[in-house]
Amino acid sequence: GEDVEQSLFLSVREGDSSVINCTYTDSSSTYLYWYKQEPGAGLQLLTYIFSNMDMKQDQRLTVLLNKKDKHLSLRIADTQTGDSAIYFCAESTVDSSYKLIFGSGTRLLVRP
Amino acid sequence: DTEVTQTPKHLVMGMTNKKSLKCEQHMGHRAMYWYKQKAKKPPELMFVYSYEKLSINESVPSRFSPECPNSSLLNLHLHALQPEDSALYLCASSQTGRTTQYFGPGTRLLVL
Repeated sequence: GEDVEQSLFLSVREGDSSVINCTYTDSSSTYLYWYKQEPGAGLQLLTYIFSNMDMKQDQRLTVLLNKKDKHLSLRIADTQTGDSAIYFCAESTVDSSYKLIFGSGTRLLVRP
Repeated sequence: DTEVTQTPKHLVMGMTNKKSLKCEQHMGHRAMYWYKQKAKKPPELMFVYSYEKLSINESVPSRFSPECPNSSLLNLHLHALQPEDSALYLCASSQTGRTTQYFGPGTRLLVL
């Protein structure tokens, strides 16, 4: 079945690294996504990784994928107060057709 | 340009009103989506249009009526809504199904 899980809350100090974790159950996942949602706003695509990749880096963002453990992580280097938001992990699978399967979201709070 | 626009930004309506939400993209995408998002929850898929044809209806009540007049526009017609329909309504688009979805800023709907 399809299920995506995330921890609910993470608090870090400004300038530190943040690591947001996600686990998924469907081994037929094709793409895995990270979206950011600020209060009152829509979802902003941050990055995505194809399921045959292990790692993807884009400026301050690093995505790691462990297919064996079905574990995805998003590392934000030098976290800033503007990074405070909810981060959603999502997967699309061969069987899910057009659907994105979202995790429940991780609220990141960056303390000055 | 990865922009999806939505109007209006906010909408307040009574239970007997008829209103419409609008979504537009000029990225040449051929799949468009409506999602509903309640507070502190991930988005829930409502409808998918592919090549201007309705391809998925996630058992949404008939008081929500989608329309895709052309490949750039997506409407959601609202009639006789209930207070529990109050939510953030998000539009998204992608090149085709199963590819990366880009979200608009949403319409925050309040039903009184």
